[in-house]
Amino acid sequence: QKEVEQNSGPLSVPEGAIASLNCTYSDRGSQSFFWYRQYSGKSPELIMSIYSNGDKEDGRFTAQLNKASQYVSLLIRDSQPSDSATYLCAFRPGGYNKLIFGAGTRLAVHP
Amino acid sequence: DGGITQSPKYLFRKEGQNVTLSCEQNLNHDAMYWYRQDPGQGLRLIYYSQIVNDFQKGDIAEGYSVSREKKESFPLTVTSAQKNPTAFYLCASSTQLRDRDTDTQYFGPGTRLTVL
Repeated sequence: QKEVEQNSGPLSVPEGAIASLNCTYSDRGSQSFFWYRQYSGKSPELIMSIYSNGDKEDGRFTAQLNKASQYVSLLIRDSQPSDSATYLCAFRPGGYNKLIFGAGTRLAVHP
Repeated sequence: DGGITQSPKYLFRKEGQNVTLSCEQNLNHDAMYWYRQDPGQGLRLIYYSQIVNDFQKGDIAEGYSVSREKKESFPLTVTSAQKNPTAFYLCASSTQLRDRDTDTQYFGPGTRLTVL
């Protein structure tokens, strides 16, 4: 069974701090990894995708991938209250077209 | 204005009824997907389609049916055989690029189904 594990949270950080969200996955053959943000009652929206080991930065967001450790993380710099949401990690198992989603980590940014 | 639309936003079903959820996209995406989300859980794949007139079962297809007669449309029917249908249903689409690894899914706004 291919799986992805995330801490459900809530992860509480003060405004302006760095929020660090982590995810581990089970399939060593996976090549594609995604972070989605989901506000309460809304659908997921894509934040970042990452395919190679290392860091990928986009504005205040940085995704980090370590395939040897089967670990992917999302850093949010200068966290804002508007970042408060559930963050879903997803990966595409090798040889498959579908995505496997984690249950998500709830982030709360307090003023 | 390109995007993915789902209707209705809220749907109430009585026991024993079949209901159909609509999903339309004007992104010219080849692939479309249906997911189910229950509180505190990740998204689970119900069905997906990579091309018109073809679709495959996902992880939880029992009690659901789909059709893909047009590229833009991928309706989902929740049948009376689905014993616990109350959930948030999400439709997604992707371009199915030649490089599968970089193919990215985008989601519609969702339909919240409640069984009365």
